[in-house]
Amino acid sequence: DVKVTQSSRYLVKRTGEKVFLECVQDMDHENMFWYRQDPGLGLRLIYFSYDVKMKEKGDIPEGYSVSREKKERFSLILESASTNQTSMYLCASRVVTGGFTEAFFGQGTRLTVV
Amino acid sequence: QKEVEQNSGPLSVPEGAIASLNCTYSDRGSQSFFWYRQYSGKSPELIMSIYSNGDKEDGRFTAQLNKASQYVSLLIRDSQPSDSATYLCAVSVSGNTPLVFGKGTRLSVIA
Repeated sequence: DVKVTQSSRYLVKRTGEKVFLECVQDMDHENMFWYRQDPGLGLRLIYFSYDVKMKEKGDIPEGYSVSREKKERFSLILESASTNQTSMYLCASRVVTGGFTEAFFGQGTRLTVV
Repeated sequence: QKEVEQNSGPLSVPEGAIASLNCTYSDRGSQSFFWYRQYSGKSPELIMSIYSNGDKEDGRFTAQLNKASQYVSLLIRDSQPSDSATYLCAVSVSGNTPLVFGKGTRLSVIA
């Protein structure tokens, strides 16, 4: 079974803090994604990565950065947390080869910025 | 802007009935289509994928795809209270592009 693991289930951070959200997948998937999910807005793509050291902006990258130094790990960084970044953050990974292209999600991190 | 549209619901069906969930998408180049189920407070889990026109059945679930109409649907037969969740439709152009999600349809199965 594919396993995508996010480092924290719940986080509470203060405004202005630098926040790191970690995601690890164990299936050698090429693609990894960070989404945030808010009521009424659905899942919105923040950043994605095709491969190690590759990154692409999604629909809402402002205030975020990412790092992918190893294939299995994709980190989301909130440079200076703000209250409007309070949200559910979801990491996903996806295989590209073999014809099956489903994305699998981690358990999510509910971040509260106070 | 690629868009995926779903009725937000809630869609209420009695236990044992067929639930029908619908999704339309804007990008004609889309090649891969997925249905995810999300329980409250949990992350989405994949329940169906479909890549070619027609029907695909898996247990009580049937996904239907019509690329000409840019329409994909999910039928849930013999609906159970445990099927009560939000169902997300997702679409991608290729294996190397992100999934674009609809906002989801909330399904409530009444016992």
